[in-house]
Amino acid sequence: GEDVEQSLFLSVREGDSSVINCTYTDSSSTYLYWYKQEPGAGLQLLTYIFSNMDMKQDQRLTVLLNKKDKHLSLRIADTQTGDSAIYFCAESLNYGGSQGNLIFGKGTKLSVKP
Amino acid sequence: DAGVTQSPTHLIKTRGQQVTLRCSPKSGHDTVSWYQQALGQGPQFIFQYYEEEERQRGNFPDRFSGHQFPNYSSELNVNALLLGDSALYLCASSLVWGGAGDNEQFFGPGTRLTVL
Repeated sequence: GEDVEQSLFLSVREGDSSVINCTYTDSSSTYLYWYKQEPGAGLQLLTYIFSNMDMKQDQRLTVLLNKKDKHLSLRIADTQTGDSAIYFCAESLNYGGSQGNLIFGKGTKLSVKP
Repeated sequence: DAGVTQSPTHLIKTRGQQVTLRCSPKSGHDTVSWYQQALGQGPQFIFQYYEEEERQRGNFPDRFSGHQFPNYSSELNVNALLLGDSALYLCASSLVWGGAGDNEQFFGPGTRLTVL
């Protein structure tokens, strides 16, 4: 069945790089997303990658996709205290040739220590 | 350009009551999806509306129903509320047939529903 898994916690020091990992199960996924959620807030779209791409870079964010292993990662360079939040990985399933619903992981809580 | 908006922000209801939540999609988007996020969990897909019809549905009971209006805005209705319906309800908008560069799914700030 469809499932997205993430480790629950990550702690880094300010200025270091953070790497958040995610595995998914559905090989028909069209897009894979990373969202950020701060306490009491909605989901902020950080970046996404099309399933036929290996890598996408956007300023401090680098997304790597290993489609063979169904593994997705988000690297945040020069992590700041303002990056402390919960990060969700999500896959968008193919539905009739278009984007279907998103399947989310449980989220990784990133704590950045000064 | 307003993003996705939702109302109300917070809501308190008692068991057995009914509730209606509202969502306006991002300008230019034609599809609205609703998600339920319980405390400490990732969002769970409820259903998706496109062209005023329910296009897809997740594993939620018939107590959860929705509607999409001609202006693409949407409502989520929940009947016979249970304590377990307490959650953050998120609305996402997108272009279901988006081409390259139009594949984002944007979320609103959510409505926090508390059922007592």
